[in-house]
Amino acid sequence: GAVVSQHPSRVICKSGTSVKIECRSLDFQATTMFWYRQFPKQSLMLMATSNEGSKATYEQGVEKDKFLINHASLTLSTLTVTSAHPEDSSFYICSAPERNTEAFFGQGTRLTVV
Amino acid sequence: AQSVTQLGSHVSVSEGALVLLRCNYSSSVPPYLFWYVQYPNQGLQLLLKYTSAATLVKGINGFEAEFKKSETSFHLTKPSAHMSDAAEYFCAVSESLFSGGYNKLIFGAGTRLAVHP
Repeated sequence: GAVVSQHPSRVICKSGTSVKIECRSLDFQATTMFWYRQFPKQSLMLMATSNEGSKATYEQGVEKDKFLINHASLTLSTLTVTSAHPEDSSFYICSAPERNTEAFFGQGTRLTVV
Repeated sequence: AQSVTQLGSHVSVSEGALVLLRCNYSSSVPPYLFWYVQYPNQGLQLLLKYTSAATLVKGINGFEAEFKKSETSFHLTKPSAHMSDAAEYFCAVSESLFSGGYNKLIFGAGTRLAVHP
């Protein structure tokens, strides 16, 4: 089946720095990708929809200036957490729907801000 | 608007026992329904999906789910639990299976399944 690769799987950063997370569709093109955030023992909350070649669509309550999304190609979307704070520590997951089939999920990124 | 309710945040069964994870949905349009499994620190893996072709859907690892419109339910079952089934399970709903590749999913809160020897 289709594969979505997310990198890195784990990252620890200092408060105030920025962290970039990559999401790649390895064997299909994805004009749309989704970014989710998952708090411990909770469900996935959609943060934003990444659209290739255009601006991302953010869900209500998500700061677009803090969570920068870039979808520069049909196989790559990036999420940059800017000026990270400890409360940004979470598990971030991307997904990419393969046209006419289903959404495939990345392995997730565990972000810890110290 | 769509929503998903998973009854029971934790379910515990003995190995070999029946697994039943409950999911009820709300949707103003005919829904597409999904069950995903998540192992610790990993992404989600699709178990099965309902796409209106058949109300009883069989998935991977021996799981199946039945779509009941009158009850707005899509419960997940497995006749005999295995230790390897211990994980977090998420029910999700979507308005469209595919629409130009767009497939926004609304997830339930999740149910953690524990399997005891």
